[in-house]
Amino acid sequence: QLQLQESGPGLVKPSETLSLTCTVSGDSVSSSRHYWGWVRQPPGKGLQWMANIYNSGKIYYNPSLKSRVTISIDTSQNQFSLKLTSVTATDTAVYYCTRQPWLRSLDHWGHGTLVTVSS
Amino acid sequence: SYVLTQPPSVSVAPGQTATITCGGDNIGVRSVHWYQQRPGQAPVLVVYDDSDRPSGISERFSGSNSGNTATLTISRVEAGDEADYYCQVWDGSSEHVIFAGGTRLTVL
Repeated sequence: QLQLQESGPGLVKPSETLSLTCTVSGDSVSSSRHYWGWVRQPPGKGLQWMANIYNSGKIYYNPSLKSRVTISIDTSQNQFSLKLTSVTATDTAVYYCTRQPWLRSLDHWGHGTLVTVSS
Repeated sequence: SYVLTQPPSVSVAPGQTATITCGGDNIGVRSVHWYQQRPGQAPVLVVYDDSDRPSGISERFSGSNSGNTATLTISRVEAGDEADYYCQVWDGSSEHVIFAGGTRLTVL
């Protein structure tokens, strides 16, 4: 059974870098069918897609975040990661990792992890 | 970039049919996906590729897509269907995932 589990600090200071990792079990991040990505949701607000990565190295970023976000994949650990630089309070959100077959629906989601940006 | 529009809220009595729309320019040529998000939980895919249901999703959930509007229909609504619903597409021209703002379904 596929499981995605987010991990990382729950509190990040303003101007610092937010780093999260998604550990995948029940599938391989090397899969030829799937993209892996991140979606966030500020408290009380809607979903915002952040980035996707494919094992071949193909990467897509949300243009509104592109200058601050980096997504990477670690096939040896069966994980993928997100870094968001220069965070502010507006980056406070629940961050979800996702699986996306062939750039279509997001068919599996992690439980989400709340990251608060505060000094 | 491409914009999707949903009504902020929809209310329906138990046992009735709920209809949630997702508007977009010529959305009928795109594949639309729908997610249910109950309070405090992660989103769950309930309809993909306009009208297909993932394994384990009730047949009460159905979808359609034509012209400028995609629609999620929930028949015989139950209290447990109360949630936020989001439509989503992949925009090939801008190469990113697009979500609409979401619709809160209230079961009266």
